[in-house]
Amino acid sequence: DGGITQSPKYLFRKEGQNVTLSCEQNLNHDAMYWYRQDPGQGLRLIYYSQIVNDFQKGDIAEGYSVSREKKESFPLTVTSAQKNPTAFYLCASSMAGGSNNEQFFGPGTRLTVL
Amino acid sequence: GENVEQHPSTLSVQEGDSAVIKCTYSDSASNYFPWYKQELGKGPQLIIDIRSNVGEKKDQRIAVTLNKTAKHFSLHITETQPEDSAVYFCAASRRGGSNYKLTFGKGTLLTVNP
Repeated sequence: DGGITQSPKYLFRKEGQNVTLSCEQNLNHDAMYWYRQDPGQGLRLIYYSQIVNDFQKGDIAEGYSVSREKKESFPLTVTSAQKNPTAFYLCASSMAGGSNNEQFFGPGTRLTVL
Repeated sequence: GENVEQHPSTLSVQEGDSAVIKCTYSDSASNYFPWYKQELGKGPQLIIDIRSNVGEKKDQRIAVTLNKTAKHFSLHITETQPEDSAVYFCAASRRGGSNYKLTFGKGTLLTVNP
């Protein structure tokens, strides 16, 4: 089945620790995205990547880092510098170029920092 | 940058009634307006989208209307069913070129009462 996978579904970490969230897609999409979702806040863009080895900051990039070494993978690291990391994190991907930029979302990872 | 406002934040209807969710956007260059449905604990899924060269689009019980002059667009769900209960997000973006960013509204929690 083609799609986007995120692991794990639930993640718990102690305050001050860095944590990396996994996102893999087998849709052959060039573009990938990370969003953060908080209650009543909608989806806010953290980072996005349009091509391998390139990525751009979104609206709330502070305290986060990403890498895009492979087309199918776009891991997100939540660093200790992120002041309020507890949230639901969503990864998405889309085709680059063309006439359709529909974003397909993964199932999400709920991160709780204790 | 783009700003998307979505109303109402919660909506409760009786099964069989219609539901309408409205969004406004600020960037007159935006030309692509998708609607996503998110069920509890899952990632959002695209349910319908509209491009700026079209004023209305229908897909069975779902329709979207766009008023470019007023910079607002709406989602209409007719003959609502309990399985329509979810959070709905509108979004806006400029399609084309190297820009793939979506700006989301804050979401509407729709509850369909049997």
